[in-house]
Amino acid sequence: AQTVTQSQPEMSVQEAETVTLSCTYDTSESDYYLFWYKQPPSRQMILVIRQEAYKQQNATENRFSVNFQKAAKSFSLKISDSQLGDAAMYFCALTLIQGAQKLVFGQGTRLTINP
Amino acid sequence: DTGVSQDPRHKITKRGQNVTFRCDPISEHNRLYWYRQTLGQGPEFLTYFQNEAQLEKSRLLSDRFSAERPKGSFSTLEIQRTEQGDSAMYLCASSAQTGIGYTFGSGTRLTVV
Repeated sequence: AQTVTQSQPEMSVQEAETVTLSCTYDTSESDYYLFWYKQPPSRQMILVIRQEAYKQQNATENRFSVNFQKAAKSFSLKISDSQLGDAAMYFCALTLIQGAQKLVFGQGTRLTINP
Repeated sequence: DTGVSQDPRHKITKRGQNVTFRCDPISEHNRLYWYRQTLGQGPEFLTYFQNEAQLEKSRLLSDRFSAERPKGSFSTLEIQRTEQGDSAMYLCASSAQTGIGYTFGSGTRLTVV
């Protein structure tokens, strides 16, 4: 079975600063994808960034980048130049390439942006 | 297509009543997923459809829960004899056969009183 753990229930950062959200996971499979999703209050889950496990290069999407450490089973999200609109719950998730491709989510980290 | 639609957005029901939720996925997506999210937690997988076939169900899906996807289009999730522990956000997501990418709906928030 796959597990995803987010050890930071809450994080806060000053506007324009950089923040890193942590995620660790466990799987015995070798072919999987990792995701970070953003869930604003009462709104739908939005994909922030995706990482294929077979790729060594860390994924980047504008102000969002990941630090993927496959051997350590670690997948952290760095948000640069934080903006007020980044405030949300952030979920780390994993899916296996084979089978149902269902997502296994972590418990989430609530990110607050201080103006 | 405007994305994944879920109806209703909110449902308040009395304990013991039956409720049904609907999900309309993106039309080209043949995979459909239901998740349950309780307050302050990450979503948990409930069930998965590929076209009209229900291929996987979580142990979380007790016999009071049933899901269908007739004709491989929209899906319904029914909860019979609701209990207070069923109060949660029920999320639907869809994806295409090829590639790994999911589109989520806005969810149906169920409150059992």
